[in-house]
Amino acid sequence: AQKVTQAQTEISVVEKEDVTLDCVYETRDTTYYLFWYKQPPSGELVFLIRRNSFDEQNEISGRYSWNFQKSTSSFNFTITASQVVDSEVYFCALRYSSASKIIFGSGTRLSIRP
Amino acid sequence: EAQVTQNPRYLITVTGKKLTVTCSQNMNHEYMSWYRQDPGLGLRQIYYSMNVEVTDKGDVPEGYKVSRKEKRNFPLILESPSPNQTSLYFCASSFRYGANVLTFGAGSRLTVL
Repeated sequence: AQKVTQAQTEISVVEKEDVTLDCVYETRDTTYYLFWYKQPPSGELVFLIRRNSFDEQNEISGRYSWNFQKSTSSFNFTITASQVVDSEVYFCALRYSSASKIIFGSGTRLSIRP
Repeated sequence: EAQVTQNPRYLITVTGKKLTVTCSQNMNHEYMSWYRQDPGLGLRQIYYSMNVEVTDKGDVPEGYKVSRKEKRNFPLILESPSPNQTSLYFCASSFRYGANVLTFGAGSRLTVL
């Protein structure tokens, strides 16, 4: 089965706390791409990051960091020192090089309380 | 500005009344696709198109039709809408598939009474 699981439906933390959003995937392909998108209240999904299956290097961009581990089929997203503006819905997605389908997780709604 | 434009943004209709949601992109993308977003289910792919005149079913194609007569346009057609098609719909495009990042439209909220 090819699947993306975001087990955390909603997370609520106090501002300035660190928070990690989990993403676990299943695939039979050896070549694939993982993505994170965010969805603000306005609705339009916005791209955050892409990782290919051969690149397990972690990435940091400002307060955002991503941890890709093929051994556990996970691609987790951490926000450091969270801010109220980070309150959005975050989606993890899996896309194959050999096919055209894209599979999204069910999303995690993040609420940052002041 | 590079963008994906969907219309209408909001629509309330009644069961059985055919409707079309338009989608247009100005980035010369080959790949276009439609998704529906429902609470707890995330985004599910309805149809996608690899290029002009090439379309294929996604995971939830029942009750929908698409066409790709021109590269920039990919309309979603509901021939006989039913209440279970009440949802938030997104059109997206990318240069090709695989590693390419999707650019999404702003969404179309459809209510079928």
